[in-house]
Amino acid sequence: AQKVTQAQTEISVVEKEDVTLDCVYETRDTTYYLFWYKQPPSGELVFLIRRNSFDEQNEISGRYSWNFQKSTSSFNFTITASQVVDSAVYFCALSEARNAGNNRKLIWGLGTSLAVNP
Amino acid sequence: GAGVSQSPSNKVTEKGKDVELRCDPISGHTALYWYRQSLGQGLEFLIYFQGNSAPDKSGLPSDRFSAERTGGSVSTLTIQRTQQEDSAVYLCASSLGGPFGAEAFFGQGTRLTVV
Repeated sequence: AQKVTQAQTEISVVEKEDVTLDCVYETRDTTYYLFWYKQPPSGELVFLIRRNSFDEQNEISGRYSWNFQKSTSSFNFTITASQVVDSAVYFCALSEARNAGNNRKLIWGLGTSLAVNP
Repeated sequence: GAGVSQSPSNKVTEKGKDVELRCDPISGHTALYWYRQSLGQGLEFLIYFQGNSAPDKSGLPSDRFSAERTGGSVSTLTIQRTQQEDSAVYLCASSLGGPFGAEAFFGQGTRLTVV
């Protein structure tokens, strides 16, 4: 069955520390997409990244980087030199291409709450 | 509109009353989701619409919950005979749909409080 696990419920770091948020997924399909979303205290979920299952290259966007490892079914997210504004709940999600049509939906992890303290 | 719009942003209702929550997706998005998020919890899937296909209602917690999507655009989530445990933020999202993963864009949610 499809499943997304974010084992870290809460993480607290001091500003400027690096922090990695873990995401492990389960799927029987070879074609799928993985996502990360950020939910700041304001509540609105903000899309961060989409990665398809055929592209295992790591991605870097400013202080954010993502490490996709199919061998371990993981899609971890690292924030370098964290800032107070990074404080939010971060969600990992999985979308399976085989569910195209009637039953396709994103499968969500429970989120990791990150607190970056000054 | 530019983004997903939900109304009302806040709703306080008495236990036993019916409520309707509205979602205006991004124009052209064929997929529409409803989620529920209780305080400090993750996202609980409720229902999914994709084009003209029959909706996936597998996440609706009880028959008091229903949703419809008119004309492939606006969606309404209805909760009948509300209970206190229905109190949560109800989030709507839309995406382009299609055979491959498309990111979902979320509205700001409706905070429902049942007193």
